[in-house]
Amino acid sequence: KQEVTQIPAALSVPEGENLVLNCSFTDSAIYNLQWFRQDPGKGLTSLLLIQSSQREQTSGRLNASLDKSSGRSTLYIAASQPGDSATYLCAAPERSNFGNEKLTFGTGTRLTIIP
Amino acid sequence: NAGVMQNPRHLVRRRGQEARLRCSPMKGHSHVYWYRQLPEEGLKFMVYLQKENIIDESGMPKERFSAEFPKEGPSILRIQQVVRGDSAAYFCASSPVSYEQYFGPGTRLTVT
Repeated sequence: KQEVTQIPAALSVPEGENLVLNCSFTDSAIYNLQWFRQDPGKGLTSLLLIQSSQREQTSGRLNASLDKSSGRSTLYIAASQPGDSATYLCAAPERSNFGNEKLTFGTGTRLTIIP
Repeated sequence: NAGVMQNPRHLVRRRGQEARLRCSPMKGHSHVYWYRQLPEEGLKFMVYLQKENIIDESGMPKERFSAEFPKEGPSILRIQQVVRGDSAAYFCASSPVSYEQYFGPGTRLTVT
């Protein structure tokens, strides 16, 4: 059974700083891993999907890495902005007995960027 | 190509009433997932459906909850005789195959 942990639960940093969010998962037999952003009272926005064959995936100021052997992923945000304030969720798939992949989510890191 | 659509966005029900949540997947997507996010908790998988078939309902409560994805029309998550503990955000996701999932904006259910 897949379990996903995200540390820290909350993080506040001044605008302009670079920061790293951490995600760990217990079942390393995954095909991919996704990072999402969730704004208060809103839905999920997919940020990055890393395939198991990749080590990194980049989109703008975001860079996600995946290390299956250690069961870890990190999301790096460069030059943070107040608009980056949100909850960031990591999700690892779990292959079910029926062949589908259902996502197991961490409880998220609530990020606040201080202007 | 419109994204995953869910309606209503907000739903208020009294205890004992029925709640019906709808999800229209992205065009061309035949796989639908439902997740629930309880207050201050992470999202939890509920059910996975393909057209006209429930494939994996291992995350669904055994009673009062049901889901369908008919040949025509949206997927429906139905909660009968709602209780306060059902208050949550319910998210639907779709995918073209069992792969990257695209999420809708969610339906926030409040049971009074």
